[in-house]
Amino acid sequence: TQLLEQSPQFLSIQEGENLTVYCNSSSVFSSLQWYRQEPGEGPVLLVTVVTGGEVKKLKRLTFQFGDARKDSSLHITAAQPGDTGLYLCAGSNSGYALNFGKGTSLLVTP
Amino acid sequence: KAGVTQTPRYLIKTRGQQVTLSCSPISGHRSVSWYQQTPGQGLQFLFEYFSETQRNKGNFPGRFSGRQFSNSRSEMNVSTLELGDSALYLCASSLLGSRLAGLANTGELFFGEGSRLTVL
Repeated sequence: TQLLEQSPQFLSIQEGENLTVYCNSSSVFSSLQWYRQEPGEGPVLLVTVVTGGEVKKLKRLTFQFGDARKDSSLHITAAQPGDTGLYLCAGSNSGYALNFGKGTSLLVTP
Repeated sequence: KAGVTQTPRYLIKTRGQQVTLSCSPISGHRSVSWYQQTPGQGLQFLFEYFSETQRNKGNFPGRFSGRQFSNSRSEMNVSTLELGDSALYLCASSLLGSRLAGLANTGELFFGEGSRLTVL
């Protein structure tokens, strides 16, 4: 089992603040995905990163894959209440059996 | 197109009973995966089916089983329920392994809303 550690576990911030969440592993992954899960729903894919050092931007969200493909970060600029949810990272090798971290629960208050 | 459909959405069982959960994947998706989600353990992989064959299996006891039908619909069964089986069970489908996916496919999972199981 390839373990993915996410930090912080919980994060409560006010609207407009910036934040970064981390996803770390001792294993190398061929690809890493970030999902967001809202209460009562299943996770929804935000982004997939496949190249070491890759940076992808999705509006106010910036995702980075570590050079060694063992870690990743998600940075949110000017957080909004709609960003509230559980952020999950998931690593894969050869596209099989995604291994998920336990997630970072984010609460953004107005 | 229609998303992944899971039934039932909520159910309550007592210890020792068994339960069957159903999942209808997105049309054209032949890979179906099942995950157990709990606050303490997060999302844990149960198993993955592709073309009616179990292709991957997580570290769960034999009480947890599944199958996939020729139309890609999948069911999972939990026998002799324990209190610790209370969880959200999520099904996800993907194009992984399908010739439609291509070499660039990195296995994006499309999740259903889950089946919330409570064991009393």
